[in-house]
Amino acid sequence: EAQVTQNPRYLITVTGKKLTVTCSQNMNHEYMSWYRQDPGLGLRQIYYSMNVEVTDKGDVPEGYKVSRKEKRNFPLILESPSPNQTSLYFCASSLLGFTYEQYFGPGTRLTVT
Amino acid sequence: AQRVTQPEKLLSVFKGAPVELKCNYSYSGSPELFWYVQYSRQRLQLLLRHISRESIKGFTADLNKGETSFHLKKPFAQEEDSAMYYCALSGRMVGSGGSNYKLTFGKGTLLTVNP
Repeated sequence: EAQVTQNPRYLITVTGKKLTVTCSQNMNHEYMSWYRQDPGLGLRQIYYSMNVEVTDKGDVPEGYKVSRKEKRNFPLILESPSPNQTSLYFCASSLLGFTYEQYFGPGTRLTVT
Repeated sequence: AQRVTQPEKLLSVFKGAPVELKCNYSYSGSPELFWYVQYSRQRLQLLLRHISRESIKGFTADLNKGETSFHLKKPFAQEEDSAMYYCALSGRMVGSGGSNYKLTFGKGTLLTVNP
C-alpha cells in the first residue's frame, strides 16, 4: 500500500532531551516536507526537501533539523526540545513538488514538559 | 510574501443546505491553489486543486484572480462532509539566497453539518 509512515505516533519527553521523529514513504516521491499543526495557527511548514541531500527551510525552522540521506526517509530532529515545540507534526511527500498532491502521514503528537 | 486567509474558524450548516467555505490569498505571481480536508481521525488529504477544475464529492472551487479568492462550495451539504478544511497555496519565493518553494496553508475551517 502506498503510504507515508511516521514514528512514533505519540511522544512525551522532557526539555532538552534530543529526539528524532522518523518519516518514510514508499512511493518514490522526490519531495518531502514537515509541518506542525497548532490550534488557531493551522499547518505551518518547518522544512522541505526536493531530493536526496537537498533540504530547505520553511516558515518555522527554528529548533529543528532534518536530513535526507535516502529518497524514502526524511527524519525530523529536535536537538534540544522546548515546551513551545509541543505540537502535532505531519510529514508529507509528493511526486515532484508542491503543485502536486501532498500525501500526508498520520501525524506525531509531541509533548515537551 | 504569500498568505492564505480563511476567515471562518467554524461553520455550521444543516444537512441539505448549501455551504461555502471562504479562502482568500495574497501572492504576486500565478498561484496554484488547493483544498485539503481532514476528517475525524483520518489523515489530511487532497480534496481538489484549481488547475484540474474538477468536482470532488460534490465540491467545486473557482479561482477568482480579481478577488484573489478560491472559495469552496457545495450545493447540498451532507453529514459526512463534517471535517476540517484547509485552503493552501503553492508559490515560489525569490530572495537573496535564491528560490524557496513554499506551500502555505490557511488556518482551517471546521465544518459541521447537522442532521
